[in-house]
Amino acid sequence: GDSVTQMEGPVTLSEEAFLTINCTYTATGYPSLFWYVQYPGEGLQLLLKATKADDKGSNKGFEATYRKETTSFHLEKGSVQVSDSAVYFCALSDQGGAQKLVFGQGTRLTINP
Amino acid sequence: NAGVTQTPKFRILKIGQSMTLQCTQDMNHNYMYWYRQDPGMGLKLIYYSVGAGITDKGEVPNGYNVSRSTTEDFPLRLELAAPSQTSVYFCASSYLDRSTDTQYFGPGTRLTVL
Repeated sequence: GDSVTQMEGPVTLSEEAFLTINCTYTATGYPSLFWYVQYPGEGLQLLLKATKADDKGSNKGFEATYRKETTSFHLEKGSVQVSDSAVYFCALSDQGGAQKLVFGQGTRLTINP
Repeated sequence: NAGVTQTPKFRILKIGQSMTLQCTQDMNHNYMYWYRQDPGMGLKLIYYSVGAGITDKGEVPNGYNVSRSTTEDFPLRLELAAPSQTSVYFCASSYLDRSTDTQYFGPGTRLTVL
């Protein structure tokens, strides 16, 4: 079945550092890909998404490019802030039928001032 | 809009007890979902609903039941709670069923079964 693998956490960085969180997927079709973020004490919220190969999703300075050839959707940000501290989830949704998201295990990110 | 709300926020159950986790959305979304998140793991789909009166199983439905009598509400029922059901439960909703659509999540219910 479909699956998503994220880099293991936790990840700790200093403010203004460059961030990469790796995400690779396995799917039989052509899935849509998502990054969701969970801030402390809150539910998940969509950060960005890409729906076809070579699409780039972006939001709040974060970017991720849908790479079909490497089945990857790595999350990047050029300069992180303390407010970016959260848990980040990569997810996919295969086409057809109800949107049943398949999630990676999440990566906890802590940014120190 | 309040979005997706869940009650309670925390609950401790004894083995064999039952409870209902409540989920309500005020966005007039047709699609609603229940997920569980175990420590260090991603979310797994328990049940979903494509509209009032229609529900279907997800990846991990055993030990749970759902109903959808209105567009707004999608309660999750645990019968005969077991320690394996200790988890954080998230409810979500979306307007359409396209694979590209965004799901909106509630804040979660943390359940411990002792």
